[in-house]
This record gives sequence, structure tokens and C-alpha cells, in this order.
Amino acid sequence: AQSVTQLDSQVPVFEEAPVELRCNYSSSVSVYLFWYVQYPNQGLQLLLKYLSGSTLVKGINGFEAEFNKSQTSFHLRKPSVHISDTAEYFCAAREAGAQKLVFGQGTRLTINP
Amino acid sequence: DTAVSQTPKYLVTQMGNDKSIKCEQNLGHDTMYWYKQDSKKFLKIMFSYNNKELIINETVPNRFSPKSPDKAHLNLHINSLELGDSAVYFCASRPFLAGEQETQYFGPGTRLLVL
Repeated sequence: AQSVTQLDSQVPVFEEAPVELRCNYSSSVSVYLFWYVQYPNQGLQLLLKYLSGSTLVKGINGFEAEFNKSQTSFHLRKPSVHISDTAEYFCAAREAGAQKLVFGQGTRLTINP
Repeated sequence: DTAVSQTPKYLVTQMGNDKSIKCEQNLGHDTMYWYKQDSKKFLKIMFSYNNKELIINETVPNRFSPKSPDKAHLNLHINSLELGDSAVYFCASRPFLAGEQETQYFGPGTRLLVL
């Protein structure tokens, strides 16, 4: 069965430091992978997605993620974070041919000045 | 210009009441979804409709009934509200094409509090 695991429920970092939010998935078929961001009291906004092709995908706000099929991972990175990046980040996966999007538990990114 | 909109944004009500949440998308998408986000921020799909036809129905109490009058609208009606129904409910939409890999676009959420 398809599942998505975000290994860290909370990640505190200092402003301008790099950050990596981890995501692992399990599936027996091809998957499409997504990262969404949820700012406080707002809906979900797509950061980036991997559908096929280059395993390094770049998204909005300076974020990027790398698809690693052998490790079944899709970790999100940013080289230098800002206070405005404080939010909840969700990794999600959808199996090829399926309608359902499965979400991880979310990682709360807190930026300290 | 809002792509996916939901009303109301906030809903506070008493146990036992019946309430509805409305969702509309102006993206021309064929498929719409309802998700529930609990107090721990976990997001889980509840329903999905494609062109007014139910295609996903997860294990949800039958007090929850989705209704799609047309492909741009997917409303959620909840009967006999319970304390555990308190959550944020998100609507989303996506084009429906076999093999298509388009993104789901989410509404701003409806924060439901049952007292």
C-alpha cells in the first residue's frame, strides 16, 4: 500500500541557515511526488513536483527537492531560509493511474532570528 | 481571481446540528476533492468527484454527504455534528485525464469547530 513518511515533525533552524526536510515514500508502482506548504491559517500551496525526467526539481521560493528512487526519498532543501519560510510542509505522493493523493504527517519549519 | 474558493471560512456550531460547506473552482477542472485536516495537521482524503460522479469514497461516516450540482461545485453536508468533526476541511480540484499528472489546487480551508 502506498504511504508517505515525513521523518521530522518539527525542524527549528536559524535564519539564513540551510534546511532539509525529509520525506520517504513506499509504493509498488511509479509515483508522482509533491511538496506543499501551508502558511499559518492558510490553505496548501504547491512548492514543487516530480513527475518524470530530471531527479532534481526546483520550485518556488528557492526550494528544491531531489527524487532518489533507490532510497525512495524526496527530500526538500533550501540553502538559506528566511523568517517568512516558517510554515508547515507536506510531502505527498500519487501513484501512476490513481486519483488519490496521499500526504505525509507534515513537518513544521520554525525559523529563529 | 480565486481558483478554488470555500465558504464559510469559519464555522462554529453545536453538537447535533446539520451544516454545509461549499466549494467552487473556476479552473475548468473535472475532478474535485474533500480533505480533512485534524488537530495534528494530518491530511486525509474523504471524497472525490469527477464530472459530478463519485469516484473516491474513503471510510467516512455516512453523516457526511458530498453533493456535486455541476463539475465546478462540490459541497459537503454534515448531519448530526459531533465533537470529533472539528477540523479544517479543504476542497481541491484537478484536471482528469488518463495518464495526466496535473497538480491538485487547494482552497483556503473551512475551520469547523463543534461545541
